[in-house]
Parts: sequence; C-alpha cells; structure tokens
Amino acid sequence: DVKVTQSSRYLVKRTGEKVFLECVQDMDHENMFWYRQDPGLGLRLIYFSYDVKMKEKGDIPEGYSVSREKKERFSLILESASTNQTSMYLCASRVGLNEQFFGPGTRLTVL
Amino acid sequence: QQQVKQSPQSLIVQKGGISIINCAYENTAFDYFPWYQQFPGKGPALLIAIRPDVSEKKEGRFTISFNKSAKQFSLHIMDSQPGDSATYFCAASEGGSEKLVFGKGTKLTVNP
Repeated sequence: DVKVTQSSRYLVKRTGEKVFLECVQDMDHENMFWYRQDPGLGLRLIYFSYDVKMKEKGDIPEGYSVSREKKERFSLILESASTNQTSMYLCASRVGLNEQFFGPGTRLTVL
Repeated sequence: QQQVKQSPQSLIVQKGGISIINCAYENTAFDYFPWYQQFPGKGPALLIAIRPDVSEKKEGRFTISFNKSAKQFSLHIMDSQPGDSATYFCAASEGGSEKLVFGKGTKLTVNP
C-alpha cells in the first residue's frame, strides 16, 4: 500500500515563528502536493512539486514556501506564522495522472 | 473563481436511503473526475473515478453519473449506511495536468 506520512498530527506555534511541516511518501511518486483544508472552503492547493527541486505555486501560495531536496520528501514552510494560517494541512502524492494519495493531515494552530 | 461547484454542503439521509451529491464544472478540458471520501481525523481517500468516455461507473453501492453536455457529474450512494457518514469531495483535472481541482465538500450524515 502507498503510504504518505506527515511529521506531526497536531502542532501549536506562536505568531511569527518559522514552521516546518514534513511529508514523506514511500512509492517513488514524482508529484507531491500541499493543501490546506478549511471548513466550507474545501481543499485548496498551496504548492506542488513534479520533481526534485521543482515546484509550482498553487492557488494560495502567499505566506508559504516549499522544499523538495529528495524525491520522497516534500516540506512546507511557513516563514513567519500568522493566526490566519491556523488550518488542517494535507500532503498528497501522485504518480502521473492517476490516484492522488493523501497523508493523515497536520492540524496547525497558530496562537 | 470556483472551477468545480459542489452541492449540497451537507446532507442527512436515513439508513437504507439514497445519497446524491452533485458537482458542476465549466472547464471543458477536464477529463478526469474522481470522488474522495474523508472520515474525521483522516486524509481523503479515493472512492471512485470516471473519465468522460463513459456516462456511468458503478463500484458496489457507489455510482458516478456523468453528463458531459451539462458539464455535471454526481455521486449516488445506494442503501446508505451509518458507516458512509463522512465528507465527500468531487474533483476534476485537465488532460496532462498533475493538479486536481476540488469542490468544497459535502458532509454526509446517515442516521441509523
């Protein structure tokens, strides 16, 4: 089975902190994605990566950056966390145009 | 600009009933239409998907109906069970694109 793991299930940070969310997939997928999920807004794409060191902005990249140094690992970085970044963050991976597999999510609270 | 419009936002169905969730899209280049199911505390998981060369796809109690001319597709859950209670997302992607565009989700509650 494909497995997508996220480093933390719950995270509490303070405003202004630099926050790293880590995601690892074990199926050699080229494509990896970061979404945020908010009630009533569904899943919104923050960034995605189609290869090592390659990235593209999604629909809501402001306030975020990403890093993909190895194929299996995709990191989301909040340079200076703000309260409006309190959300559920979901990582996903996909091979080609097929099924997208999601991790369990990280619920981030910024105080 | 919302590319995939999903309705209703929430749905309550009695056990044994039929649950119907609808999605509409504008981009005629979309050619892959998956439905994802998400239980509380879990990430979404692929439930069923369809491509526009067929009008219907059935997997067990779950059926996708696709109307290309109306640019609409829907999920039907037959004989709904309390264990089907979850949030359902429709999505779409354009040919050659790695990105999925998601609807806003429908929270389904099946009462026993």
